[in-house]
Amino acid sequence: GAGVSQSPSNKVTEKGKDVELRCDPISGHTALYWYRQSLGQGLEFLIYFQGNSAPDKSGLPSDRFSAERTGGSVSTLTIQRTQQEDSAVYLCASSPSGGTTYEQYFGPGTRLTVT
Amino acid sequence: GNSVTQMEGPVTLSEEAFLTINCTYTATGYPSLFWYVQYPGEGLQLLLKATKADDKGSNKGFEATYRKETTSFHLEKGSVQVSDSAVYFCALTAGGTSYGKLTFGQGTILTVHP
Repeated sequence: GAGVSQSPSNKVTEKGKDVELRCDPISGHTALYWYRQSLGQGLEFLIYFQGNSAPDKSGLPSDRFSAERTGGSVSTLTIQRTQQEDSAVYLCASSPSGGTTYEQYFGPGTRLTVT
Repeated sequence: GNSVTQMEGPVTLSEEAFLTINCTYTATGYPSLFWYVQYPGEGLQLLLKATKADDKGSNKGFEATYRKETTSFHLEKGSVQVSDSAVYFCALTAGGTSYGKLTFGQGTILTVHP
């Protein structure tokens, strides 16, 4: 079956612009996670969705970052007024449920470059 | 809080050599432990997992045993191949309100030469 897909695969933007990153999880997966992979910080958790609600937003680095999920499926991560330190690969993962033992299936990521 | 520490890389081995990548953790509650792998140009994928003490996860010739007494989950393979060249991440999900979010180690780059 189809895996997790993300778009765009690459995004180059100017400092100060807003960007939207999209994630399509595996059909039927209720849990969705966003992570960020950067050279300086490694792999960091950003936000967790169960259905359309986000009970854990603790990893969002600033109020410039927001995310939503609609229809229990597609999720969008929005970064406003981008800064150079936002440059990273943004990864989305989904799993059948939000329990601690479930495997998370990762998408290919969106590479964001802020110039 | 939760944290994972992996041995520093990069690790360079010859084909058929024995591999160990050390991983230790700190966690609240009773964590589940994972090894994820990222092959060149590909996304993260689960390699193996263990969800309780003394469990051994295994896949593709790789093994790791959940050692609660030493808070470790070291990855081993008896004979590596060139195709094993990748970045390996040790990770955990902890109980309580973690909702299954993964805490990762910093990653270990493995290069295997013919």
